[in-house]
Amino acid sequence: LAKTTQPISMDSYEGQEVNITCSHNNIATNDYITWYQQFPSQGPRFIIQGYKTKVTNEVASLFIPADRKSSTLSLPRVSLSDTAVYYCLVGPFEQAGTALIFGKGTTLSVSS
Amino acid sequence: EAGVTQFPSHSVIEKGQTVTLRCDPISGHDNLYWYRRVMGKEIKFLLHFVKESKQDESGMPNNRFLAERTGGTYSTLKVQPAELEDSGVYFCASSPLAGGSSTDTQYFGPGTRLTVL
Repeated sequence: LAKTTQPISMDSYEGQEVNITCSHNNIATNDYITWYQQFPSQGPRFIIQGYKTKVTNEVASLFIPADRKSSTLSLPRVSLSDTAVYYCLVGPFEQAGTALIFGKGTTLSVSS
Repeated sequence: EAGVTQFPSHSVIEKGQTVTLRCDPISGHDNLYWYRRVMGKEIKFLLHFVKESKQDESGMPNNRFLAERTGGTYSTLKVQPAELEDSGVYFCASSPLAGGSSTDTQYFGPGTRLTVL
């Protein structure tokens, strides 16, 4: 599975837009990009997934350039409750049973 | 719909004892995964079941760990005998995909915190 690199931590104020970029230079043709969010004392939670271009859901947007070597998770108008660790994962998620490989993630701290 | 549940939420045992962790996946999910995070490290894959069959147990650290999923419903992960380095948080996840055209999304439980003294 492709290795990913993302910032260790980010700080933001409430109401700001937060963009977390993930590098995955060795992404394979059949790999998807997935982001998980983890709150303290909870398991990771799927938030968004994409293959190319842009994906948007009620939680976030995911921007993927044409070369797919990076991706950016965008959280609009963050609140205190968005404080969490965000993981970028890359893999052939079209196949069931793909073991998720987590890195250190990006710890986002939102303050008022 | 109930999510993935795990029991217990926290277990404290002494070195050499046995502990059994339980995971109840989302109803109807054929795929069940175990992961763990030991102190200061990343979350690591342990194994994957499809129904009652082990598909991939490449992440199991050693033969002190035994996972079962009898009947293809809930799963247990037994550690016997427990060692200090087994301390960490054990997560279970499940996904519905067993073939098909959708991508596989894994739903995680809250984890079981294991402390070995």
